[in-house]
Formats: sequence, C-alpha cells, structure tokens
Amino acid sequence: QQQVKQSPQSLIVQKGGISIINCAYENTAFDYFPWYQQFPGKGPALLIAIRPDVSEKKEGRFTISFNKSAKQFSLHIMDSQPGDSATYFCAAQTSGSRLTFGEGTQLTVNP
Amino acid sequence: GAVVSQHPSRVICKSGTSVKIECRSLDFQATTMFWYRQFPKQSLMLMATSNEGSKATYEQGVEKDKFLINHASLTLSTLTVTSAHPEDSSFYICSASGGSIHEQYFGPGTRLTVT
Repeated sequence: QQQVKQSPQSLIVQKGGISIINCAYENTAFDYFPWYQQFPGKGPALLIAIRPDVSEKKEGRFTISFNKSAKQFSLHIMDSQPGDSATYFCAAQTSGSRLTFGEGTQLTVNP
Repeated sequence: GAVVSQHPSRVICKSGTSVKIECRSLDFQATTMFWYRQFPKQSLMLMATSNEGSKATYEQGVEKDKFLINHASLTLSTLTVTSAHPEDSSFYICSASGGSIHEQYFGPGTRLTVT
C-alpha cells in the first residue's frame, strides 16, 4: 500500500515535444506529491509538488496533473529541451512521514 | 533555497576499513535528516531517519551496527560505513528537513567505492 508505481521506465522525446510521466498510488493518506529531477552523479532536486486539494499545478514548462479519484498523478514537460534529459522520480508522502519514491523515468530529449 | 552539502563527494576505500560521510544543512536548521542509498539506474532507498539529539530509526533490513548515524547538531549528520565491503559500494544521498514537514532538501550525494 506504500508503493508508488511510475511509468514509463524510459522515455525518448524530440526537442520541442511534450514529455509525460505517470505515477499511481494506493495509500489514500498520502497528502503531498513531489517530483524530483536527478542528473547523473547528482542528488535529486525538487522540481514541483502538488497537494491533493488541487487538480493541476503549473510552474513554467512543468505541470502536474492530479486525479484524486483515480489515485494517479502525472508530470508534463512542455517544449522539452535537451537540458531536460535526466531521471525523474515521483514521490508521495503523508504528514510527518518519509517520502515514498517511484521507480524513476530516464528521459532523453533528442536535439 | 535551502542548501544541503555532503562531504566527500566521492571516496575509495579498501575492504574492511570504515568511511565517514558528512551531511550539512548550510542555511537552515535541519530537525530531521534522512540517509538514502541508490544503486545504478535504481530509485532511492531510505536507510534511516535521524532527528537531532536522538537515535536514528533504521529501515527494515539495514544493519544499524554497520551504518552508524549520528545527528549531533541541527546542521550536521554523519553516516559511518563500518568494515566496508565491495557490496557497500553505492551512491549515498542525504536529505534534510527543517520547518516544513513535507519539504526535504537533498545533498549532492557521495559515491563510495570499496575495493
């Protein structure tokens, strides 16, 4: 019940395209859903996060869509750039508890 | 934004020796720090959670006598890998949480190679 399932495992997108990564969870007690971006040899960095009381959050080219009834959330990267090539992790958390990470998606944006 | 540093960034040690990794919160007080390990092309695996001044809470399957965690101040936590073996070679990442119970700020990671 603590798992967060992420797909796809890898994604290749052309420059300027839209990258979409999906996550699903089971635990309805989760109340915070962050996305992290990780470059090779570096620690993860918080990209954007959402709480379940909103259905969408946008920051620049990055948008989280959240579907509470389906227990799913997704990251959309608009106008994808080669510099966006990295591994993306979704995560979920309940108040005061640890983060539960998805398996990760390796995104490659071709020039 | 909040900054977390780790030292060293990479370390190579011989089998049987101990290695200490430091995690510091540079511009905020970290009431809770977390230690993760990450194998190539895998997700982050939480090893332990530590609160300042108290003993760390280890995840199931993590040997507390092998991975010693000390969180002696609000800005510093250390992870000591004792009697390291090649299978301990991994990427170790810390994160720190301050005022917000949700936000965790990650360090840049430490690459440990045991020969």
